[in-house]
Amino acid sequence: GEDVEQSLFLSVREGDSSVINCTYTDSSSTYLYWYKQEPGAGLQLLTYIFSNMDMKQDQRLTVLLNKKDKHLSLRIADTQTGDSAIYFCAEGSNNAGNMLTFGGGTRLMVKP
Amino acid sequence: DSGVTQTPKHLITATGQRVTLRCSPRSGDLSVYWYQQSLDQGLQFLIQYYNGEERAKGNILERFSAQQFPDLHSELNLSSLELGDSALYFCASSVRPGAGYTFGSGTRLTVV
Repeated sequence: GEDVEQSLFLSVREGDSSVINCTYTDSSSTYLYWYKQEPGAGLQLLTYIFSNMDMKQDQRLTVLLNKKDKHLSLRIADTQTGDSAIYFCAEGSNNAGNMLTFGGGTRLMVKP
Repeated sequence: DSGVTQTPKHLITATGQRVTLRCSPRSGDLSVYWYQQSLDQGLQFLIQYYNGEERAKGNILERFSAQQFPDLHSELNLSSLELGDSALYFCASSVRPGAGYTFGSGTRLTVV
């Protein structure tokens, strides 16, 4: 079955860039997503990328996709303490059920 | 406000009891997904409904059941509760492939 893997933890200093990585196994993935979860809250969709794209930039966020290696990354520029959260990547295919498979999440800690 | 409403926000109950969690999807969304999030298991997919019909099942225990009603709201029933069922239960909804999920803020269940 499909599998999505992420590293568990990342610590950066405020103002630095953060890069959160994700690998997936389903070659039929059409959409790849990044979600953010702050303590005690639900998951918030941050950004997404179609599988036919290599890169997408949205303000401080840059998503890079290497489809050959099935590797997805999320770069947060000028990381702030408010970016401290758990980040989940997810992959989905263009099916009627719109099923997404989530990674285990990466906890980002931003130190002042 | 994401548009996905979950009630109650918090629930404390004793072992052996039964509870019902409720979810109202975002207006226009036909699919509802239920997830369990615990500290040691991450985000676990439980079950999906699409326009009233069960579409997919994940790691849902036999003690748990769900349904989606004609008005598209959904209920997750948890019975014979055990201490290990303590977790955050999230509902998400989606309208079509590629749109991603919109998550509710979750119900925190504590079994004592």
